[in-house]
Amino acid sequence: KAGVTQTPRYLIKTRGQQVTLSCSPISGHRSVSWYQQTPGQGLQFLFEYFSETQRNKGNFPGRFSGRQFSNSRSEMNVSTLELGDSALYLCASSLIRTQNTEAFFGQGTRLTVV
Amino acid sequence: AQSVTQLGSHVSVSEGALVLLRCNYSSSVPPYLFWYVQYPNQGLQLLLKYTSAATLVKGINGFEAEFKKSETSFHLTKPSAHMSDAAEYFCAVSEGNTPLVFGKGTRLSVIA
Repeated sequence: KAGVTQTPRYLIKTRGQQVTLSCSPISGHRSVSWYQQTPGQGLQFLFEYFSETQRNKGNFPGRFSGRQFSNSRSEMNVSTLELGDSALYLCASSLIRTQNTEAFFGQGTRLTVV
Repeated sequence: AQSVTQLGSHVSVSEGALVLLRCNYSSSVPPYLFWYVQYPNQGLQLLLKYTSAATLVKGINGFEAEFKKSETSFHLTKPSAHMSDAAEYFCAVSEGNTPLVFGKGTRLSVIA
């Protein structure tokens, strides 16, 4: 059974550009969450999607957006990139969304903004 | 709102020694608690989770954690450290249908 796949693994962008990251969840999983991981702030929740609907959103500016498709694949977009957006972006998928459901994480996309 | 505090951003132990990684949580309702491990350039892997069935939870790779409500703690232990245990460890809490809230992480170094 394939795990959570995130593409691309590494990305270098220039300030002011926009970027789209992709996440393919485990087959059959309907819940996808995104996290930003930085050395200073640790793991911070971005948003969560379930059956194409955003169910929760973290405290990030509107430059960060996401969506989920009917096949449960998800994308997140960051517009007008800032140096501080450099981070590891992690996607996690769950079969359903309940508080004790295990979340499976992808290897992440390492975004560097220069 | 729930929160997690991991005491010690870096813990160093000798190979074969006891591993103890500390986690304290804050939650207004009975929480679900998790420990994840992250190896360099990898995502997070679940070690174990507490879901109120038993206070002592056994996980993978010989790790276990004990839920202590009176101390609001969920410390992770392993009797004998192995070199392959060197990684970053994250404690996380979930309540209701809110997303996982992670601690800042503890980097474990194992010295030969």
